[in-house]
Amino acid sequence: AQTVTQSQPEMSVQEAETVTLSCTYDTSENNYYLFWYKQPPSRQMILVIRQEAYKQQNATENRFSVNFQKAAKSFSLKISDSQLGDTAMYFCAFMKLGSEKLVFGKGTKLTVNP
Amino acid sequence: DVKVTQSSRYLVKRTGEKVFLECVQDMDHENMFWYRQDPGLGLRLIYFSYDVKMKEKGDIPEGYSVSREKKERFSLILESASTNQTSMYLCASRNPDRYSPLHFGNGTRLTVT
Repeated sequence: AQTVTQSQPEMSVQEAETVTLSCTYDTSENNYYLFWYKQPPSRQMILVIRQEAYKQQNATENRFSVNFQKAAKSFSLKISDSQLGDTAMYFCAFMKLGSEKLVFGKGTKLTVNP
Repeated sequence: DVKVTQSSRYLVKRTGEKVFLECVQDMDHENMFWYRQDPGLGLRLIYFSYDVKMKEKGDIPEGYSVSREKKERFSLILESASTNQTSMYLCASRNPDRYSPLHFGNGTRLTVT
């Protein structure tokens, strides 16, 4: 069974700085998808960014980018120019090709300080 | 935008009660999911449905059942609520094409006393 590990339960960063959230996963699959979701205090889970495993190029969405290292089974999220609105729980998730199930990590609570 | 609506934001029930959590999505998604979220445990899949009247167990189905009579509606049922079912419940939907993300509702915080 696949597992997703987020080794940092909590992190904090100063406004305008850069922070990296780590995520590792364990799988024997070759084709899969990876996601980062954000859950602000309002509780609405929002997709931040996603990556297909067969793509070498790291995904980028504005201030959010990933460092996908397939061999190391690592999928970290970098947030540049952090903003107060980035304060949230961040969840890494894995889905193998052909499955409907997303497997989530336990989350990292990120606080952006003014 | 996809909208997934959970009928209650907060719910307080007594031990032994039958509890219904309702979820409706408006984008004709085929797949719907119920997750449970607990601090330090992340999100765990309870049940999902890939079509009307079709369901499949997730990782923690014990003590729960589901109903999907219409495509847009997916209900989670606690047959006899217990205190260890106090939690945040998240409903989600997606289309089964390979890269489609989950769209979540706002969650229902259930307290069983």
